[in-house]
Amino acid sequence: DAKTTQPPSMDCAEGRAANLPCNHSTISGNEYVYWYRQIHSQGPQYIIHGLKNNETNEMASLIITEDRKSSTLILPHATLRDTAVYYCIVRLRDDKIIFGKGTRLHILP
Amino acid sequence: DTAVSQTPKYLVTQMGNDKSIKCEQNLGHDTMYWYKQDSKKFLKIMFSYNNKELIINETVPNRFSPKSPDKAHLNLHINSLELGDSAVYFCASSQDYSNQPQHFGDGTRLSIL
Repeated sequence: DAKTTQPPSMDCAEGRAANLPCNHSTISGNEYVYWYRQIHSQGPQYIIHGLKNNETNEMASLIITEDRKSSTLILPHATLRDTAVYYCIVRLRDDKIIFGKGTRLHILP
Repeated sequence: DTAVSQTPKYLVTQMGNDKSIKCEQNLGHDTMYWYKQDSKKFLKIMFSYNNKELIINETVPNRFSPKSPDKAHLNLHINSLELGDSAVYFCASSQDYSNQPQHFGDGTRLSIL
């Protein structure tokens, strides 16, 4: 079973920041937080991952709370092409990825 | 250039047939995976190979047999296809079997008539 809880769907206006929350209250100290997304009919796409510190790359930022029980994925300037299902995953370093139901993000023009 | 490529993209066949799906990655990765996404969109891992050796086998029926001729290829052969095998199958690869992101192919949509 997935170890994360995400809202089933969210809306965001085009050009605004999309903030996707994830709850992982049972995360252990050596489990990483990963984010993937799946655009309709395509394979999942890796976005970002982190352990304790906040992370940023060309796609997004990952904010992990100090107690590590929740995190937020931030897409700074959402576009229509960011419409997708976003998956938050926790996993040990050498463990398999378990996908949950994810959050369906709708970017509104 | 496509990093992880699967063929065919669509596969429609009769129940009871045997079919194969091929996967190739040109990323130089050591680890490859097969996932199944059912009609409810749940994505579940089936197999994982690291350097051509099986490291994950997730309670998949024996009718499914992965084969890795080399590090760049992981093919999936399915015997005696059943209606419940209808799904989208995704191949993926990662640099190694640790804390590395996985790169997915675009999937093979298998429909059993």
